[in-house]
Amino acid sequence: DVKVTQSSRYLVKRTGEKVFLECVQDMDHENMFWYRQDPGLGLRLIYFSYDVKMKEKGDIPEGYSVSREKKERFSLILESASTNQTSMYLCASSNQDGSFQPQHFGDGTRLSIL
Amino acid sequence: GDSVTQMEGPVTLSEEAFLTINCTYTATGYPSLFWYVQYPGEGLQLLLKATKADDKGSNKGFEATYRKETTSFHLEKGSVQVSDSAVYFCALRTAGGGNKLTFGTGTQLKVEL
Repeated sequence: DVKVTQSSRYLVKRTGEKVFLECVQDMDHENMFWYRQDPGLGLRLIYFSYDVKMKEKGDIPEGYSVSREKKERFSLILESASTNQTSMYLCASSNQDGSFQPQHFGDGTRLSIL
Repeated sequence: GDSVTQMEGPVTLSEEAFLTINCTYTATGYPSLFWYVQYPGEGLQLLLKATKADDKGSNKGFEATYRKETTSFHLEKGSVQVSDSAVYFCALRTAGGGNKLTFGTGTQLKVEL
């Protein structure tokens, strides 16, 4: 089974801090994604990466950056955390295009910014 | 742009009741369609998928048929169980790179004894 592991289930940080959320997948997937999940808004794509050192903005990239130095690891960075970034963050991975491949999700990190 | 519309929840049913969760979409081209399920405290899991018109996806007693003429992909189950209580997300994937998905807002299902 594909395993997508997010480093923390719960995280509490303060306004202005630099916050790192880590995600690791064990299936050699090319694509990795970061979403945030908010009540009534569903999942919104923040950033995705289709290869090492490659990244593309999703629908809501403002206030975030990402890093993908190794194929199995995709990090989400909140440069200066703000209270409106309190949310559930979900990481996912999938194989490359060519035929349909499902996205596999981690269990999420519930981040609170105080 | 692409979008997915789901019925608002929560949906509350008694055990063994029939379930329908409506999903309609707007997309260019011919998207693949999916239902994901999120159990409490967990991430999303793929429940079923359909990749072309008239395809029926099925898994764990759930079914959904890709209806191109009505741009719909409604989720159904004949007899729900308490263990089906979860949030259900409809999603679509359009052609293009990256295997990106567009999700609906999710529908919470509560099944009671």
